[in-house]
Amino acid sequence: GESVGLHLPTLSVQEGDNSIINCAYSNSASDYFIWYKQESGKGPQFIIDIRSNMDKRQGQRVTVLLNKTVKHLSLQIAATQPGDSAVYFCVRESVRTGGFKTIFGAGTRLFVKA
Amino acid sequence: EAQVTQNPRYLITVTGKKLTVTCSQNMNHEYMSWYRQDPGLGLRQIYYSMNVEVTDKGDVPEGYKVSRKEKRNFPLILESPSPNQTSLYFCASSSTGTVYEQYFGPGTRLTVT
Repeated sequence: GESVGLHLPTLSVQEGDNSIINCAYSNSASDYFIWYKQESGKGPQFIIDIRSNMDKRQGQRVTVLLNKTVKHLSLQIAATQPGDSAVYFCVRESVRTGGFKTIFGAGTRLFVKA
Repeated sequence: EAQVTQNPRYLITVTGKKLTVTCSQNMNHEYMSWYRQDPGLGLRQIYYSMNVEVTDKGDVPEGYKVSRKEKRNFPLILESPSPNQTSLYFCASSSTGTVYEQYFGPGTRLTVT
């Protein structure tokens, strides 16, 4: 079936460095891949999405790369800041008859060291 | 302010006592969904609704019910809660044109003893 999995449950980076959070998925019947950020005590917050027919998409300080050959997705955060400390989820969204199917990965906790 | 609200935020109850967690959004979104979050498992979809009177099961619907009688509200009903339903619950909403961008509520932490 469909799934998404993250490579590392935790990631620690120095403030100002770039962060790369990785995600692998099975099957490719998805319309969108999405990254959400969850800060402590809050609900997930949308960061960026990428359609399955794209390879790269950039936002403000973030870039998502999609490699369909190896079924790999990554989120790159430039110049990581303390406010980036959170759990990051890769999510796949598939259109199906009558609705959408949303599958979350387990999450990677990003620690930013000052 | 555009938001998704959930009530209650915290609830401790006993096995078998029916409860309802309310969810409301003020963004006129068609799509609403319920998730549960458990340690190490990410979020798992319980039920979703594409619009008023249209609901469907997610990946873990057993033990839950939902209704969508109004566009803004999407309550989650536990008819007979059990300890394995102890979890953190999130409601989310989005426009059907941008389902990939869901807006989440603050969460409801439920403990069933």
